[in-house]
Amino acid sequence: QQQVKQSPQSLIVQKGGISIINCAYENTAFDYFPWYQQFPGKGPALLIAIRPDVSEKKEGRFTISFNKSAKQFSLHIMDSQPGDSATYFCAADTGFQKLVFGTGTRLLVSP
Amino acid sequence: DGGITQSPKYLFRKEGQNVTLSCEQNLNHDAMYWYRQDPGQGLRLIYYSQIVNDFQKGDIAEGYSVSREKKESFPLTVTSAQKNPTAFYLCASTRGVPSGANVLTFGAGSRLTVL
Repeated sequence: QQQVKQSPQSLIVQKGGISIINCAYENTAFDYFPWYQQFPGKGPALLIAIRPDVSEKKEGRFTISFNKSAKQFSLHIMDSQPGDSATYFCAADTGFQKLVFGTGTRLLVSP
Repeated sequence: DGGITQSPKYLFRKEGQNVTLSCEQNLNHDAMYWYRQDPGQGLRLIYYSQIVNDFQKGDIAEGYSVSREKKESFPLTVTSAQKNPTAFYLCASTRGVPSGANVLTFGAGSRLTVL
């Protein structure tokens, strides 16, 4: 119940296309869903986050879509750029001490 | 600039040796964390500490030990009991519980290779 399942494991998108990464969870106590972006050799950094009381959050080219009934949430990257090439992690948190991370998606945006 | 400093960036160890990874933060954060990253497995929590002189086991604590003698420092020791220690280790911190406005800040990581 503490798992967050993330897919796909890797993704190749052409420049200007839409990148979509999906995550699913079981624990209904999760109340905060952040996405982290990690470049090679670096630590992850918070990209965008959402709470389950809203269905969508947008920040620039990045959008989280949240489906509470299906217990799924996804990251959409519009107009994907080569600089977006990185590993993306979804995560979930109950508000008690620790985050549970997905397994990560390696995104490559081809020029 | 405030942040988390992890050292060393790369470390090589012979089997049977203990090694200690350093993590220092100047963010005045209360809580600190150690994660292990392996390809295809995401980030797995090793240990975390919410206050000085107190810490809790995460999901994969076996073969690891930590201390929290100062607010700024949270070193991780990888002992010889850890069966597969080769991995990328990430230290993180947050002002409080990592949800809402309390963003988890990560260091740049330490890559440990057992020869």
